[in-house]
Amino acid sequence: DSGVTQTPKHLITATGQRVTLRCSPRSGDLSVYWYQQSLDQGLQFLIQYYNGEERAKGNILERFSAQQFPDLHSELNLSSLELGDSALYFCASTFQGSFPLQETQYFGPGTRLLVL
Amino acid sequence: GESVGLHLPTLSVQEGDNSIINCAYSNSASDYFIWYKQESGKGPQFIIDIRSNMDKRQGQRVTVLLNKTVKHLSLQIAATQPGDSAVYFCAENIAGGSYIPTFGRGTSLIVHP
Repeated sequence: DSGVTQTPKHLITATGQRVTLRCSPRSGDLSVYWYQQSLDQGLQFLIQYYNGEERAKGNILERFSAQQFPDLHSELNLSSLELGDSALYFCASTFQGSFPLQETQYFGPGTRLLVL
Repeated sequence: GESVGLHLPTLSVQEGDNSIINCAYSNSASDYFIWYKQESGKGPQFIIDIRSNMDKRQGQRVTVLLNKTVKHLSLQIAATQPGDSAVYFCAENIAGGSYIPTFGRGTSLIVHP
């Protein structure tokens, strides 16, 4: 158990809908990273937050947004969903949120999103 | 559990054998590399890392070798066990400029008892 929690574990929705994925980092970690993992691609970095502020942005679509709250949990919002958004979405946490990445990331178990 | 890839390279070994998993990285400016293990239905798990000023690093039953000349990384697992069955992938991180870490698609390791 990495100490990172994600909810829900599975999510099934329809095209055009909007969903919110939630992540709680390990106790004491200040930084959260979001990733997308699809069958035809490796892990793709989406966005990083550190202590409530956006720190780095990767291949995140404009339809997607995220935030980190004062209690350090984070939410990833996916809107106007398309079939191609079906994937595993992981969050990871670190203490320092180092730039560039120079410390171990602890990954959550992921949310499996299926868009029908 | 979830499948992380349908057409990943696969390495099949017998329990007790040594396994070698390879990874080619793309950017000669990368200065930090990580190997992850991902079991079916779970998130990636850190195994071992190495910085570009090293060419070898050892952990418990695992060794990572870095060849910067040919931009190649390998993970050696000694005395492979059935519990080692998973997808293994490497990540490279580039110092300065863009932060975005890049992950390989991985190799599926199957350990037969």
